[in-house]
Amino acid sequence: QSALTQPASVSGSPGQSITISCTGTSSDVGGYTSVSWYQQISGKEPKLLIYEVTTRAPEISDRFSGSKSGNSASLTISGLKAEDEADYYCSSFTDRATLIFGGGTKLTVL
Amino acid sequence: QAHLQESGPGLVKPSETLSLTCTVSGGPINDHYWNWIRQPPGQGLEWIGYISSSGGTDSSPSLRSRVTISIDTSRNQFFLHLRSVTAADTATYFCARSVDTTLPDWGPGVLVTVAS
Repeated sequence: QSALTQPASVSGSPGQSITISCTGTSSDVGGYTSVSWYQQISGKEPKLLIYEVTTRAPEISDRFSGSKSGNSASLTISGLKAEDEADYYCSSFTDRATLIFGGGTKLTVL
Repeated sequence: QAHLQESGPGLVKPSETLSLTCTVSGGPINDHYWNWIRQPPGQGLEWIGYISSSGGTDSSPSLRSRVTISIDTSRNQFFLHLRSVTAADTATYFCARSVDTTLPDWGPGVLVTVAS
């Protein structure tokens, strides 16, 4: 079972908005409302940002939002800040009752 | 919120078994699901498997033949055993609590290197 597809890198300037995509299949992203997004800074443990496609985890800024259409999900970060520079991972439940992660996206704040 | 801490050897020889412990604090281990995830150096996250507090377990198809996950609720601990390791199993191993299909609580991770 291959990892979900994410762009390797995205970048944006402070104050801008960026969107990270996460593409799977009807057996995972497209088949369930079980997409989560995680932020990982400097190799530390990942931090949950979004779950069930659109729900922000407690204490997560409303600058972070999630959506899904068909077999693809997206994470949007608005009002970019330097502190948002990190690696971002999506995950999804699958029809094999397992979890699968995306390959990760490195966000650079210019 | 649960607090998790991984522990175990940082170096394992090829063909041997990698064994890790995750100790849970801040609440009982009962009534939750507990996961192992790994991250090779410079690479992405890979879900290894989970165990419920009642002992039900499942794992990634790619690792299933080599993985055993177990739990000791009396000690608030769960465990990972990965058999017949190779250099490709070198990674930071994280334990995490799951709620439905999401992972809100993670341990800091432990780096395990497979080398002779």
